[in-house]
Amino acid sequence: DAKTTQPNSMESNEEEPVHLPCNHSTISGTDYIHWYRQLPSQGPEYVIHGLTSNVNNRMASLAIAEDRKSSTLILHRATLRDAAVYYCILREMNYGGSQGNLIFGKGTKLSVKP
Amino acid sequence: EAQVTQNPRYLITVTGKKLTVTCSQNMNHEYMSWYRQDPGLGLRQIYYSMNVEVTDKGDVPEGYKVSRKEKRNFPLILESPSPNQTSLYFCASSPSLGQAFYGYTFGSGTRLTVV
Repeated sequence: DAKTTQPNSMESNEEEPVHLPCNHSTISGTDYIHWYRQLPSQGPEYVIHGLTSNVNNRMASLAIAEDRKSSTLILHRATLRDAAVYYCILREMNYGGSQGNLIFGKGTKLSVKP
Repeated sequence: EAQVTQNPRYLITVTGKKLTVTCSQNMNHEYMSWYRQDPGLGLRQIYYSMNVEVTDKGDVPEGYKVSRKEKRNFPLILESPSPNQTSLYFCASSPSLGQAFYGYTFGSGTRLTVV
């Protein structure tokens, strides 16, 4: 799987937007960009994914650079409940076998201050 | 409610005593997987299953066994647990491995301590 690079940690204030960056300079044309988060003492939780176009859902937005070498997860108004480790993961499309597995890196630990 | 259910949530056992951690999903997902999470090492995949009777090793399979006799269940078996298997374990499922645009659903975790 192509590698992703994320900052180890970030801080945000409650009710402010948060932009979590991810670099994936070796991304291939068939890699989807997935984001998961893990709240304290819980299992990882799917957040959003995209291929080329920006994506929005009820949890977050995903902005993908035109060359696809980087992406940004946007939380529009951070709450205390958004404090978690956020993982940016690349997954190959339409592959069987181990290539399609979800491989976690270290992620970004987001702290949210009241 | 669509979910992945793991049992037990917490388990303390002794070295060498066989144990099974159960995982069940109610979403008719084809793909299931087990991960372990350790401080400083993150989440690592132990085994996965692409469908009934089809299982394969992940990155850290040593000391573990799995079976997939029916679609909804994917138990993790430790035949002779050792202290280095003390960890937090997560089960996950997904509609299909082959399609990268599906997300995974994770269970709440099983914290295992082997003394």
